[in-house]
Amino acid sequence: SQQGEEDPQALSIQEGENATMNCSYKTSINNLQWYRQNSGRGLVHLILIRSNEREKHSGRLRVTLDTSKKSSSLLITASRAADTASYFCATGPSGGYNKLIFGAGTRLAVHP
Amino acid sequence: DVKVTQSSRYLVKRTGEKVFLECVQDMDHENMFWYRQDPGLGLRLIYFSYDVKMKEKGDIPEGYSVSREKKERFSLILESASTNQTSMYLCASSPGGGLGEKLFFGSGTQLSVL
Repeated sequence: SQQGEEDPQALSIQEGENATMNCSYKTSINNLQWYRQNSGRGLVHLILIRSNEREKHSGRLRVTLDTSKKSSSLLITASRAADTASYFCATGPSGGYNKLIFGAGTRLAVHP
Repeated sequence: DVKVTQSSRYLVKRTGEKVFLECVQDMDHENMFWYRQDPGLGLRLIYFSYDVKMKEKGDIPEGYSVSREKKERFSLILESASTNQTSMYLCASSPGGGLGEKLFFGSGTQLSVL
């Protein structure tokens, strides 16, 4: 079952612009995580936000979480060509095992 | 640096063959996972293991089995490979301290079944 759904599916911007990606989910969660994947390689963890948090920052990344709307957003500020990748949100369940459910991802292209 | 190693980057097999995908982690993690990734579908969980010799089905276990005889190694087995199992397979691990842990991924195995 696919929990998170990212929007948009693809995003194309110029270097220096900000990129915003959104994620919606369906059931209650313990946490929400964002991952990055370069060109068919493994995923790399970017940031984790817990269900009792509303906003989190890490370098040029800003994540927000609205549990009432069951949605999250990832903002990358001052984007660089090296940010070109696919970005996935993953939701962690509120009980049971640490079993993340991933969305289909947003493909971001940053042009020099 | 933490490391999750998948034995093959690319693999080509024939329909009906038995296929083994191996994954090794060097971080003493309790949890290990196998996902498959298909365009437009994201990552889907096949099986996971929270301890040696323990396994749990994920969302799409049909046609697959797993083995975890040692803590560091988690194998995915395709008993009789079919063309619809052509996909990217990703192994991951996490420490096992509870909920809210991040996953560490291997580089993936692109499997083609002809």
